[in-house]
Parts: sequence; structure tokens; C-alpha cells
Amino acid sequence: DIQMTQSPSTLSASVGDRVTITCRASQSISSWLAWYQQKPGKAPKVLIYDASSLESGVPSRFSGSGSGTEFTLTISSLQPDDFATYYCQQYKSYYTFGQGTKLEIK
Amino acid sequence: VQLVQSGAEVKEAGESLKISCQGSGYSFTNYWIAWVRQMPGKGLEWMGIVYPGDSVTYYGPSFQGQVTISADKSINTAYLQWNSLKASDTAIYYCARSGYCRTTSCVTYSRFDPWGQGTLVTVSS
Repeated sequence: DIQMTQSPSTLSASVGDRVTITCRASQSISSWLAWYQQKPGKAPKVLIYDASSLESGVPSRFSGSGSGTEFTLTISSLQPDDFATYYCQQYKSYYTFGQGTKLEIK
Repeated sequence: VQLVQSGAEVKEAGESLKISCQGSGYSFTNYWIAWVRQMPGKGLEWMGIVYPGDSVTYYGPSFQGQVTISADKSINTAYLQWNSLKASDTAIYYCARSGYCRTTSCVTYSRFDPWGQGTLVTVSS
């Protein structure tokens, strides 16, 4: 099974900050990685797929990069609506989610 | 394109349950449907997927033998069922559209989009 490890588990930041979340795969997954945002009481929403493709309708301040085993999600300038929990997901072989990163207001 | 799930359930341990996920706005037969568990205050766990076109199903290792995933393409609906619930099955369950098959190719694994609104299952012991 492919394991996904996200870091950090919690991130405190302020509006306007640039933040980066990292996701590591236990083996190469090429670019078969997605990033999701989940707000309390809501279903997750896809932000990035194929490691770096921005989902339609998602603000351009979100970007993804990486391939193989190391991936990052970057938010270039945090907005109030961005405080949420973020998950990575591999879809190279079946599916595995990272454990999540909670982005909190500092 | 949307997925609409059945409503919240409150059950006792040992009871059976089947929850549903109905798709609309797209060719339901040609897209895989995934099920995801989210236990209270916890992260997302992939449970399994079903292809409504021929009911082929794959399960995540933690869920094989614990649940049954199925689909009825005649009514654009996928299902997740338990024969004997446990208190530890208390969670929100989401369905989501994933991979697809076209005339000449299939993509079994893909990003999850869209998601259903979630079904809260509460099991008392």
C-alpha cells in the first residue's frame, strides 16, 4: 500500500501570508496527486489534480508542485476563506489520503 | 453534475444499513463512484469504488469484508451497506465521482469530483 505523509499537521498563519504544505509518498506516484480543502461540516473540494493542475473555478493563489514522492501545496497570499483543513491524495494505485493539515488563524 | 446522498441514520449495534448516493447531470454508467469515511474529528479514509456500468468493485484494505459497495445503473444510484453495524462505524460517509471509461479507454483512478453532501451514520452500543 502507498502511504501519504503530510506536514505540518497544524499551521498557524495570518491573512496575506504565503504558506506551504508538504506531502510525501512512500513510493513514487509520478504526478498522480490531488489536493483537497475541507471546511467544517462540508464535503471536501478538489483544488489541484495531477500534482499541479488547478481545478476550474479555484483561485490562482493556490498552486501545486512536485512529482515522484515529494509534493507541495502553496497558497500565495492567504485569504480569510482559506482557513480550513487540507488533504493530499494519491491515485497512482487505489487511493490514499494524507492525514490532513489544519490551517489556523494566527 | 451532482451527487445526492441519503439522509442521516441512527442505528443500534448489530443492525444492518444501506445508504445511497444518486448521481445526476452526467453519464452515471461511465464514471466510478468512490466511498470515503470520516470518523468524528478525524481525516478522510478511502473505502472502495464501484463502476456502475458493470458493478466491478475494489475495496480498501481496511474495509474488505466489512462493507459491501454496489450500484444500480437503472436508477443512477450507488450504495454502501453493512450487515452488522458496530459503534466504531459512527462516521460521516461521503460518495464522490472518480475515474471514467470512454469508448476506447478507461481511467480507473482520478481525482474525486464532485462529492456528495455526506451521510452521518450514528451507531449506539
